[in-house]
Amino acid sequence: RKEVEQDPGPFNVPEGATVAFNCTYSNSASQSFFWYRQDCRKEPKLLMSVYSSGNEDGRFTAQLNRASQYISLLIRDSKLSDSATYLCAGALDSNYQLIWGAGTKLIIKP
Amino acid sequence: NAGVTQTPKFRVLKTGQSMTLLCAQDMNHEYMYWYRQDPGMGLRLIHYSVGEGTTAKGEVPDGYNVSRLKKQNFLLGLESAAPSQTSVYFCASRPRDSRAYTDTQYFGPGTRLTVL
Repeated sequence: RKEVEQDPGPFNVPEGATVAFNCTYSNSASQSFFWYRQDCRKEPKLLMSVYSSGNEDGRFTAQLNRASQYISLLIRDSKLSDSATYLCAGALDSNYQLIWGAGTKLIIKP
Repeated sequence: NAGVTQTPKFRVLKTGQSMTLLCAQDMNHEYMYWYRQDPGMGLRLIHYSVGEGTTAKGEVPDGYNVSRLKKQNFLLGLESAAPSQTSVYFCASRPRDSRAYTDTQYFGPGTRLTVL
């Protein structure tokens, strides 16, 4: 089992809809998590971080459920420009590394 | 402030050739990383460095070597390239913080390497 797992998708969603996807992790010692956005053939860029129960930034909400060991990303009022691959990563305080999921591909359709 | 830069952007090698990928950051970050990204596999850590003069192995270090002689530069070397090393290579850096797990990584634009 991978340490961080994501549904690869693609999620095909109409513009304006709300979409949510999860990322599960196996290491209960993971202390913080990150959602990165990666556009086709580009580098990942940080979208949101979450250390406690959740974080909200405009149309984006990230939530952490430690009991069930998953984090979620909710996108409201989706835009065509939200089309991308969303990578989730978990961090351990004991080292300097992030553990990455393989990404979820999101396609917003007009 | 250029952030993280990578040289070259593209390269085609023949099996057995060698090359060095250069990563440079101007943010005075302590930590630097080299990843490879293959379709459906996400980012896999090759090597990383927690400071000038130090390096450590990541998840997939075989076939690669690294050096961090200067704080701002992190070099990734392929001594004898193989087709299995065809991939997109990303460099990343991160500042040191007392709460290490809160810091995020900043990525370079990537190097697309093809080994024939």
